[in-house]
Amino acid sequence: DTEVTQTPKHLVMGMTNKKSLKCEQHMGHRAMYWYKQKAKKPPELMFVYSYEKLSINESVPSRFSPECPNSSLLNLHLHALQPEDSALYLCASSQGPPNTQYFGPGTRLTVL
Amino acid sequence: GIQVEQSPPDLILQEGANSTLRCNFSDSVNNLQWFHQNPWGQLINLFYIPSGTKQNGRLSATTVATERYSLLYISSSQTTDSGVYFCAVIGGTNAGKSTFGDGTTLTVKP
Repeated sequence: DTEVTQTPKHLVMGMTNKKSLKCEQHMGHRAMYWYKQKAKKPPELMFVYSYEKLSINESVPSRFSPECPNSSLLNLHLHALQPEDSALYLCASSQGPPNTQYFGPGTRLTVL
Repeated sequence: GIQVEQSPPDLILQEGANSTLRCNFSDSVNNLQWFHQNPWGQLINLFYIPSGTKQNGRLSATTVATERYSLLYISSSQTTDSGVYFCAVIGGTNAGKSTFGDGTTLTVKP
């Protein structure tokens, strides 16, 4: 069983919608991550929150915005997405880079 | 940034066979992990192995950091071993950002 939980498991949204993905960990980790994975491709890092500091992959468009309300929670706010944003979104946590990352089960997002 | 190459890209085995998956990386690393992604998309930790050798049941892994490669061994394969195996590294100058290889897709036939 994973100790990183993600909700929802599946999400279908239109291009004008605003939605949020949620991730929670109860391992006392100080770093959390968002990854995007397209079909038959490896996960690609989007954001890292480590010790309350945000690092951004500069290729990620501004229609994705992370929020870290506390050290156990990491949200990903979605706004005005495009169909090409449809993917599996994976959350992970670790004690802090470069330690072992533990992944959640992911959210499958479809943008219509 | 650091480059990660996995081989082979695809592997088909008969149940009971052994296999070796390889991960080459282009620079020194602080972290190297092997994952198994199941058909539902869950990434399952197999090993955290920036150097040395580890074993867990039928699986073992070896990383030779000085030669910049890691190997994952699967012995007596089972159909449940099917899926995609990823190697992910965090380089010494990567500020904690991990890079995944393209993966090896393993199919184990009964």
